[in-house]
Amino acid sequence: AQTVTQSQPEMSVQEAETVTLSCTYDTSESDYYLFWYKQPPSRQMILVIRQEAYKQQNATENRFSVNFQKAAKSFSLKISDSQLGDAAMYFCAYTGLNNAGNMLTFGGGTRLMVKP
Amino acid sequence: DAGVIQSPRHEVTEMGQEVTLRCKPISGHDYLFWYRQTMMRGLELLIYFNNNVPIDDSGMPEDRFSAKMPNASFSTLKIQPSEPRDSAVYFCASSFLGLAYNEQFFGPGTRLTVL
Repeated sequence: AQTVTQSQPEMSVQEAETVTLSCTYDTSESDYYLFWYKQPPSRQMILVIRQEAYKQQNATENRFSVNFQKAAKSFSLKISDSQLGDAAMYFCAYTGLNNAGNMLTFGGGTRLMVKP
Repeated sequence: DAGVIQSPRHEVTEMGQEVTLRCKPISGHDYLFWYRQTMMRGLELLIYFNNNVPIDDSGMPEDRFSAKMPNASFSTLKIQPSEPRDSAVYFCASSFLGLAYNEQFFGPGTRLTVL
């Protein structure tokens, strides 16, 4: 079974600074997708960024980028120029390509606080 | 498209009562997932359907929980009888296999409080 681990229960960053959230996973599959979801106080799950395991190039979405290290099974999220609206819970998630049900396995989450 | 719709958004009930949570997936999606989020266990998959058929219900905690999908546009998650430990946020998500990245679209969640 796949597992996803987020070792940082809480992180804090100063507004306009950069922060990196860590995620590691365990799988025996060779191809899969990885995601970062943001959950603000509204509880809505918002997809921030996604990565295909067979793509070596790290995904980037505006101020959000990932550092994907396949051999190390690491998938960290970097938020540049942090904004107050970035404060939320962030979840790393995994799904396998061979899994017809597209089931997502989530990490435990990291609470990000942004200081003005 | 309105996205995944869940109702109610909040539910407060007393222990022993029956609770029914509802979900309308995005039109055209053939996968539907029910997740539960708690402080202790985080986000966990309860059950998922493909073309209205339950495929994997191994995450359903016990017989008090049941889920149905009578048609492509509606699913229910029922708890009977409810217990305080069922208090959580319940999410419904939908997808279809042709989507890039097998992306799932989440509803806003139902916050359930069992007193």
